[in-house]
Amino acid sequence: DAKTTQPTSMDCAEGRAANLPCNHSTISGNEYVYWYRQIHSQGPQYIIHGLKNNETNEMASLIITEDRKSSTLILPHATLRDTAVYYCIVSSDSGGANNLFFGTGTRLTVIP
Amino acid sequence: EAQVTQNPRYLITVTGKKLTVTCSQNMNHEYMSWYRQDPGLGLRQIYYSMNVEVTDKGDVPEGYKVSRKEKRNFPLILESPSPNQTSLYFCASRDRGTNEKLFFGSGTQLSVL
Repeated sequence: DAKTTQPTSMDCAEGRAANLPCNHSTISGNEYVYWYRQIHSQGPQYIIHGLKNNETNEMASLIITEDRKSSTLILPHATLRDTAVYYCIVSSDSGGANNLFFGTGTRLTVIP
Repeated sequence: EAQVTQNPRYLITVTGKKLTVTCSQNMNHEYMSWYRQDPGLGLRQIYYSMNVEVTDKGDVPEGYKVSRKEKRNFPLILESPSPNQTSLYFCASRDRGTNEKLFFGSGTQLSVL
């Protein structure tokens, strides 16, 4: 599975949009982009995933570039509770032994 | 409520004393896995199971055992714990379909003295 590159940390003002970038330049055609987050030392929580189209759900939006080499997770109105480590993962998810490689993620701090 | 339950939440033990961390899910998921998390290393997969009686090694299986006798349970066994197994452990499960999201337990912080 392709690996990803994310900034180590980011800050965002409360109420503003948080835009978290992710590079995955070696992504292959059948690999999806997943985002999870981990608040403090709790278990990671699924946020969203996509293949090539932009996706939106109640938590966030995912924007994937046309060449699929990068993507951005958008939290439209960040709150203090969004302070967490955000993981960008790409995986072919063959339905078999899907081992999502979590890496070290981006530590997002939402500032009051 | 759909959930993955791990026990215990915290565990302190001594080198060589066998221990088991339990994991149970109530979502009838076929796939379950164990991860460990260490500072600077992210989450690394220890073992996974595709179904009952089907288990396989992940990236860091040394020193661990698992079993999957029932669909809902996937215990992690450390037969002879060592200090380098001090870590935060997570169990996860998901349904078998493609692109199904992983559900994680709340974690077990293990300290081996």
